[in-house]
Amino acid sequence: EVQLVESGGGLVQPGGSLRLSCAASGFTFSSYDMHWVRQATGKGLEWVSAIGTAGDTYYPGSVKGRFTISRENAKNSLYLQMNSLRAGDTAVYYCARGGDNWNDLDAFDIWGQGTMVTVSS
Amino acid sequence: AIRITQSPSSLSASTGDRVTITCRASQGISSYLAWYQQKPGKAPKLLIYAASTLQSGVPSRFSGSGSGTDFTLTISCLQSEDFATYYCQQYYSYPITFGQGTRLEIK
Repeated sequence: EVQLVESGGGLVQPGGSLRLSCAASGFTFSSYDMHWVRQATGKGLEWVSAIGTAGDTYYPGSVKGRFTISRENAKNSLYLQMNSLRAGDTAVYYCARGGDNWNDLDAFDIWGQGTMVTVSS
Repeated sequence: AIRITQSPSSLSASTGDRVTITCRASQGISSYLAWYQQKPGKAPKLLIYAASTLQSGVPSRFSGSGSGTDFTLTISCLQSEDFATYYCQQYYSYPITFGQGTRLEIK
C-alpha cells in the first residue's frame, strides 16, 4: 500500500525549532518529488516546501530562510527542519507526493494524515 | 507568485444538484491545475489533475475543464459524500499556490 506517515509535531515556544519526519512506503521514494503543505485550523492549504529527486529545494517567501526540507532516500524519509518558529506557523503539516517527471511539476496524489505543530508560549 | 482566485467561497446545494466551482489564475498556467476534496479532519484527496483528467478511483460525476487562466470543477449529480471543501491548485511553477477553498454544504 502506498503510504505517507508524518511524525514529529508538538508544542514549541516562539523562536524554537522542530523537525518533522515523513515515512514513505509502497513506492520508489527516490523517484518522486516530495512536498510539505500546511493548514492552520479552519483555514486553507498553504504549500510550504518541495524537494526534487536531485535534491533541489523550493520554498515560498513565508518560510524561506527558516525552514529546510531534506530527504534520505535510503530510509524512504522526508524531513522538514523548522527554525525561528512563529505563532503563524501553527498548523497541521502534511507531506505529499508529487510527480516522477524530472522536468515537470505534478499534482499531489498521495498525502499523509498530517502532524500538528503548535507554536505558543 | 501566481495568484489563484476561487469562487464561490461557500455553496449550498441539495443531493442530486449540479454544481460548478471556478478558479482563475493571475497568469496563464496551461493545464497545470488540480482539484482536491477535503473532509473535516482528513487530508486532501486528489480528484482531477491536468485540469480535466480524473484521478483513478474518482467517480465520473466529477469533471474539470479549462486551460490558460480559467478553470471549472463540476459535480454533475451531488451525492451525500460530496459535501466537503474543495481546493484548486496550480503547479505550473513555484511557488505552488492553492485557491482559498469552496465549502460545499447541504441545503
